[in-house]
Parts: sequence; C-alpha cells; structure tokens
Amino acid sequence: DAKTTQPNSMESNEEEPVHLPCNHSTISGTDYIHWYRQLPSQGPEYVIHGLTSNVNNRMASLAIAEDRKSSTLILHRATLRDAAVYYCIPGGWGNKLVFGAGTILRVKS
Amino acid sequence: GAVVSQHPSRVICKSGTSVKIECRSLDFQATTMFWYRQFPKKSLMLMATSNEGSKATYEQGVEKDKFLINHASLTLSTLTVTSAHPEDSSFYICSAEDRAGYTFGSGTRLTVV
Repeated sequence: DAKTTQPNSMESNEEEPVHLPCNHSTISGTDYIHWYRQLPSQGPEYVIHGLTSNVNNRMASLAIAEDRKSSTLILHRATLRDAAVYYCIPGGWGNKLVFGAGTILRVKS
Repeated sequence: GAVVSQHPSRVICKSGTSVKIECRSLDFQATTMFWYRQFPKKSLMLMATSNEGSKATYEQGVEKDKFLINHASLTLSTLTVTSAHPEDSSFYICSAEDRAGYTFGSGTRLTVV
C-alpha cells in the first residue's frame, strides 16, 4: 500500500478556496488517487478520484502532479458543511482502501 | 447514487455476548464488501475484506474467530462480534464496491458494558 503524507489540520475561511495537499511518493503506476471525507460519527463520503489527469466534479477539483507523487484537492468555495476529515488514498481500482491519518479541515465563518 | 445501509446505527451489549452488524447494498450488487473499525479521533482501520460466497480475508492482527464475517448474498454482509468485551467498543463501518467506486455505510457505534 502506498504511504501518504497529509497535513494534520488546516483552517479556511468560509467562501474561500481551500487547497488540501497530499504526498504519495510510493504510488504505483496503476493506482488511482481517491479522496474521501468524513464528518463526525458518519461513514466516509466519496469526494473525487483520478489517475493522471486533473478532474473536476460538483464537489471539488483534483490536481495531480505530473509525476503523480502528489495531488491537491481543491474546494473552490469552502462552506461550514465542508468541515470534515479529508483522506487521500492511493489504491488500485477494485482493491481495498487503506486510510491514513487524513487532514482535519476547519472552516471559520 | 449507490447506497449502503448499515444496521443498527447504535448498539449497547453486555460483556460476553455477541452482536451482529448488517451491511446492505440497496441498489446494486456487491461481490466485495469491506469492514473497518474506528476508535475515537483515529482513522479507519481495515479489518477484513468480505467476498460473496467465499471466506473473508482478514487483515493482519484481526482475530477471525472473534469477528465473524458472512457474505451470503450479493447485497448483504454481516459482521458478528463474538464474546464482546469493553475493548471491542468502537465505531464499525462497512463499505461496498460499486461501479463508480466505494460507498460507505453510516457506521455502527458499539458499546460493550
């Protein structure tokens, strides 16, 4: 399993963009980069995933470095509902997801 | 989107008893499901991979005789915590693989008293 390094915590102001970084230098060539988030006492929620190209969906954008050793999850306008623990998880499609420590995102109003 | 239902959401049991947690994929078939446990302020720890019609694959250090997993149909996997003790108190979460990725249940808070 590829190891990941994420900041323990980050803080953002409401309505401002947030960039959540993740280093995954040992990622294999076939591993996708999955991002999930978890609110307290809930199961994780899918945010976005990608392989090589940058990805956009209604929740966020995912910027993947050219060497794939790092990625950045971008929330374009943070809201209070985005306060959660964000997990970056490299993994093959169809394989188990192994969670790291994640980043606690706090959003200030 | 895909929905995974987990039941019960909370359960309190006496030490020494067994507790069964159900995980259902509501609108898709899941040949593979995953079971995690999470302690307060910690990340999710993968316990086992549940495969429909075959034995579960347990992660290192997880006691298969204590955490019984049954995946008898394409929409249901169960986790039974046998002879529960207070140290088994935790948040248990299941996940199922669907066409778009992985969907998680809402979790089961187990308290053993």
